[in-house]
This record gives sequence, structure tokens and C-alpha cells, in this order.
Amino acid sequence: NAGVMQNPRHLVRRRGQEARLRCSPMKGHSHVYWYRQLPEEGLKFMVYLQKENIIDESGMPKERFSAEFPKEGPSILRIQQVVRGDSAAYFCASSPDLGLAKNIQYFGAGTRLSVL
Amino acid sequence: GENVEQHPSTLSVQEGDSAVIKCTYSDSASNYFPWYKQELGKGPQLIIDIRSNVGEKKDQRIAVTLNKTAKHFSLHITETQPEDSAVYFCAASRSGGSYIPTFGRGTSLIVHP
Repeated sequence: NAGVMQNPRHLVRRRGQEARLRCSPMKGHSHVYWYRQLPEEGLKFMVYLQKENIIDESGMPKERFSAEFPKEGPSILRIQQVVRGDSAAYFCASSPDLGLAKNIQYFGAGTRLSVL
Repeated sequence: GENVEQHPSTLSVQEGDSAVIKCTYSDSASNYFPWYKQELGKGPQLIIDIRSNVGEKKDQRIAVTLNKTAKHFSLHITETQPEDSAVYFCAASRSGGSYIPTFGRGTSLIVHP
């Protein structure tokens, strides 16, 4: 049973370009969470999605950032017109559907975004 | 909203010693407390968790204790080994709603051989 898969592992973009980060949850998981981590800081929640729905986007910046989790395919975190401050590690986590197990999140290896 | 404080930010121990990391939370409705280990260049890995109906949980060399009254929980690692060196994060969340955990800022544990 494969874990949470994120790609690419490393992404370099110039200021003004777009960054697209992909996340495939664990098999059988329909809940996806995106987090941002800056050096020597904790994980900051960005957005929580279920298939075709955004459940909570309270941690998402109001502009340039968007996320989706289509019926088929991976979840996508999209950052338009990147700026140097967007440089960070972005982690995706998934959780199962069953009762109390919904609390348990399994993380991918992350995408490290560098903006030049 | 929930606020999780984690201490210390760095912890240096000799191999074989014990290590203790402490977290406090603010939301009395939180009832699930996981601990994650993050090695350099990798994603966080769940190592142990505890729910609010339990005061202590143990898994080999690691244990977690929870004091609901005081709103704090701790990670205990005994007989530390160099491979325990990593950043450890605590988190708190509640069942229901969006289950979104609030994370502490992390503790960098260094185990010297």
C-alpha cells in the first residue's frame, strides 16, 4: 500500500511563474490537507479538501493560491505569480474516512519550492 | 482557535539517556494528540498518538502522557539512540468538524553517540 505521494520533490521557479504541486493520497483516503513549512518552523495549515470539494481554506492566502482535488487524479496546489516569500516546503497529508481514524494524518515527503 | 506550545526548541542528550518533550494546548475540546518525527529532507512521520480518554500510552522506547486538567502532554523517549535524532512535532485536534490539527513549533533532538 503506497503512502502519500507528492511530486515534484524539488521545484525551482523564477518570480512571476506558476508553481503546481501534486499530491496523491493513500489508497482509500479521500481527505487531503496541505501544509506549508518554513525553515525551523512548524507546519502551518493551508487547506483541507475532499473529492471535488474544498472543506476548509482558512489557512490559504487570499490571492495567488488555489487548490483542487478532482474526482479523478491527484490534488493540486497551485501558486500563481510566485514571489521569493513563497519559498518553503509544502506538505500534503491524507486521512481515512472511518470514524475516529479521520484524525490520523499521513504525510508525504513534501515539495521543496525555491523561487529565484 | 487552538494554540499549541512546545518546549524545548532544542534538546541535546547523550546516547542512552532519556529525552522528554512537553506541549501545552489551549482548547479544552481537543481530544486527539499525535506526535510526529521529521528527519532531514523528509515528511513528518506519525510515531505515537493518544486520545483524551487515556492518560498514558507506550510503544517500546517511546511513551506519551496526557494531563487533561492541566492541558499538557509529553513525549518520553528512553535509551536514546543516534537514529532518534530528528525534529519532533506535537499536535492537538478535536474529533468532528474538519479535524485540522494545530502543530507545535517543533523540538530538534540531537543524540550524541
